[in-house]
Amino acid sequence: EIVVTQSPATLSLSPGQRATLSCRISQSVGNYIAWYQQKPGLPPRLLIHHVSQRAAAIPPRFIAGGSGTDFTLTITSLEPDDIAVYFCQQRGSWPTFGGGTKVEL
Amino acid sequence: QVRLQESGPQLVQSSDPLSVTCSVSGDSMNHYYFFWMRQPAGKGPEFIGRVHYAGRPYYNSSFQYRASMSVDTARKEVHLTMSSLTAADTAIYYCAANSAGYDYFMTYWGQGTQITVSP
Repeated sequence: EIVVTQSPATLSLSPGQRATLSCRISQSVGNYIAWYQQKPGLPPRLLIHHVSQRAAAIPPRFIAGGSGTDFTLTITSLEPDDIAVYFCQQRGSWPTFGGGTKVEL
Repeated sequence: QVRLQESGPQLVQSSDPLSVTCSVSGDSMNHYYFFWMRQPAGKGPEFIGRVHYAGRPYYNSSFQYRASMSVDTARKEVHLTMSSLTAADTAIYYCAANSAGYDYFMTYWGQGTQITVSP
């Protein structure tokens, strides 16, 4: 099973600041990387697929990239609505997710 | 776009099988792949399996001998059955879906149903 490791566990920032979230996977899966946002009591929401493609209706302040085994999600200017837990997902033999990064104000 | 709604027993005995149903509305089921996911409290989601009305289910190897997924297009439902339950199966169970081109990235999610397994 491919292991997904996210860092940091918690990110404490102010509105307007840049948030950089990291995701490392135990072996390369090409461009089969996604990011999800999850708010309390709600299901995950797909933000990014295929490493850098924004899903429908996702604002341009969410930018993602990376290659090989290291990937990042950047929120260029944090807004209060961005407070959530963010999960990285890989698609190898089957999908696995990281433990998440909590973004808080 | 498709809408998903899970329903399940909330509490299940470890000696019984778990049955969860996903009711699908808003679009034809033929256009989507359906997933069962689960998420224990405070952890990341976990993939159980994927199914399409015209194909065989594909399971996470951790579940392939105790999970079964099926699609009922007449009733517009997707079903998950899981046996050999333990307390570790306590989680929110989600039905998710995507359309062609999204591979194993889940674009639509139900609200989830909390399942607690008691010994």
